[in-house]
Amino acid sequence: GAVVSQHPSWVICKSGTSVKIECRSLDFQATTMFWYRQFPKQSLMLMATSNEGSKATYEQGVEKDKFLINHASLTLSTLTVTSAHPEDSSFYICSARAGGTDLNSPLHFGNGTRLTVT
Amino acid sequence: GENVEQHPSTLSVQEGDSAVIKCTYSDSASNYFPWYKQELGKRPQLIIDIRSNVGEKKDQRIAVTLNKTAKHFSLHITETQPEDSAVYFCAAYGGTYKYIFGTGTRLKVLA
Repeated sequence: GAVVSQHPSWVICKSGTSVKIECRSLDFQATTMFWYRQFPKQSLMLMATSNEGSKATYEQGVEKDKFLINHASLTLSTLTVTSAHPEDSSFYICSARAGGTDLNSPLHFGNGTRLTVT
Repeated sequence: GENVEQHPSTLSVQEGDSAVIKCTYSDSASNYFPWYKQELGKRPQLIIDIRSNVGEKKDQRIAVTLNKTAKHFSLHITETQPEDSAVYFCAAYGGTYKYIFGTGTRLKVLA
């Protein structure tokens, strides 16, 4: 159980275009999902917390107009990278907790999306 | 906010030896500490976790210890095997209701 599906697994886009990444919890409901960015050989950097039915909470230094997050249902959060530039190229991973009201429950990660902006 | 430091950044051990990875955290309100294993190009996978009311937890060759007073926790892998080679991340959760990850340890088990 506790499967998180992320799509697409990789995408190549041209500079200036937008890319949407989907994150779905397949067998549980997630009121909160987290979006991380990971550069090669580096740690997972939290970008934002996606809250179902309300605005996302962005970490310091993350441009909310650049990285649009929508969490329209209890099983789907989307991250849209707008006007992408080569420096946005990275590995983006979503995650969600399956523990319901148990705040001390593990994160389950999607497979990640490798974005390359040319 | 929470800050998690992880050491070492790289670790090489001979097959069969033990490996220890240490993390420290800053927020005393953090009360849940998972460890994740990430293989190249794949998603992080939870391998073990510990809650603040427990000092030690073991699952076969993997164990985690927690010292709340000193605000540090460690991952212990015994009888290491080549398939244990990966990047390991610790995390702390609780006080800020966000998972904050350590910087990662690249473990290499030499056959």
